[in-house]
Amino acid sequence: KAGVTQTPRYLIKTRGQQVTLSCSPISGHRSVSWYQQTPGQGLQFLFEYFSETQRNKGNFPGRFSGRQFSNSRSEMNVSTLELGDSALYLCASSLGPSNTEAFFGQGTRLTVV
Amino acid sequence: DQQVKQNSPSLSVQEGRISILNCDYTNSMFDYFLWYKKYPAEGPTFLISISSIKDKNEDGRFTVFLNKSAKHLSLHIVPSQPGDSAVYFCAARTAGNKLTFGGGTRVLVKP
Repeated sequence: KAGVTQTPRYLIKTRGQQVTLSCSPISGHRSVSWYQQTPGQGLQFLFEYFSETQRNKGNFPGRFSGRQFSNSRSEMNVSTLELGDSALYLCASSLGPSNTEAFFGQGTRLTVV
Repeated sequence: DQQVKQNSPSLSVQEGRISILNCDYTNSMFDYFLWYKKYPAEGPTFLISISSIKDKNEDGRFTVFLNKSAKHLSLHIVPSQPGDSAVYFCAARTAGNKLTFGGGTRVLVKP
């Protein structure tokens, strides 16, 4: 059974650009959550999607957005990139909206220069 | 406002001995608590979880204890092995699958 797949693994972007990250959850899992990990702030919740609907949102500016497709794959987008957006972006996959086990992908390392 | 705290940034333990990792929380609405292990540049790996209505859950070498009145949980690893060297995060769940993470504890198991 394949795990959570995140693409790309590494990305370098320039300030002001926008970026789209992709996450394919474990087969059969319908809930996808996104997290940002930085040395200063640790692991922080961005948003959660289930059945193509955003169910929860963390305390991030509107530049951070996401969506989920009918096959449960999810994308997150960051517009007008800032240096502080450099981080490891992690996607977590769960069976459903109240499942107690969330499985993480390897993450996308975004560097903004 | 840090709702989940791991006050020990690092822990060093001898192989074969017990590792005890601690975590404190403030939000009474958390309904599940999870522990994850993380290596650099990789995603967290799920280890074990516990419901807020239980006080202990065991899975192999890993046991999690929850003291709800003290808003405190701990992870025991017995016996510790060199492969356990990693950063461990506790996480607490609210409102579906939203996880709030502690800052992590770096564990070093010495052979």
